[in-house]
Amino acid sequence: GAGVSQSPSNKVTEKGKDVELRCDPISGHTALYWYRQSLGQGLEFLIYFQGNSAPDKSGLPSDRFSAERTGGSVSTLTIQRTQQEDSAVYLCASSLALAGQGAYEQYFGPGTRLTVT
Amino acid sequence: TQLLEQSPQFLSIQEGENLTVYCNSSSVFSSLQWYRQEPGEGPVLLVTVVTGGEVKKLKRLTFQFGDARKDSSLHITAAQTGDTGLYLCATAGAGSYQLTFGKGTKLSVIP
Repeated sequence: GAGVSQSPSNKVTEKGKDVELRCDPISGHTALYWYRQSLGQGLEFLIYFQGNSAPDKSGLPSDRFSAERTGGSVSTLTIQRTQQEDSAVYLCASSLALAGQGAYEQYFGPGTRLTVT
Repeated sequence: TQLLEQSPQFLSIQEGENLTVYCNSSSVFSSLQWYRQEPGEGPVLLVTVVTGGEVKKLKRLTFQFGDARKDSSLHITAAQTGDTGLYLCATAGAGSYQLTFGKGTKLSVIP
């Protein structure tokens, strides 16, 4: 398809297990972003990639969270030793280039709904 | 991080009515974006406003950016059931690549 795709669409996991969330950006988009959307907290930025590089990881909530991007395309967000507070919808977005001051539109995927029981 | 406050949090109206939702900050916006998000989908960009006092129209939607660039409004004329969704405002601070979002206004248009 032409849009951003994410998999799985839903993931239920037990507390303490590791999970991997995948994002396929729009072809040719060099910038990729991960966000988390939870009830009461709204949509919060986690991390961005320019190519395969993530210059700023300060948005990740804890050291249990990591992300990588390979080949300037697919990205995975990994959460180790999941906790119940990690339950949220994880959204990925991509843009032609880094989006500063609204210069470039970010296209969002449908998200992965993670439930930690 | 710039805080964005959106109001109202929830809005339920009849089809055909007009409505306005708001996005405010205590700090100046470098630019502001409005998104609409439907259940099970990611947010979709509606408009970007950059200049203080700017007004942009998208069919029945009118977006206004305050003169001081600290507030913005979205006005919908003759709402339709297809307008139902979560309306989010967002800003990317100068030199920042991350979008900061408000918590959104959840709009329900009843037939």
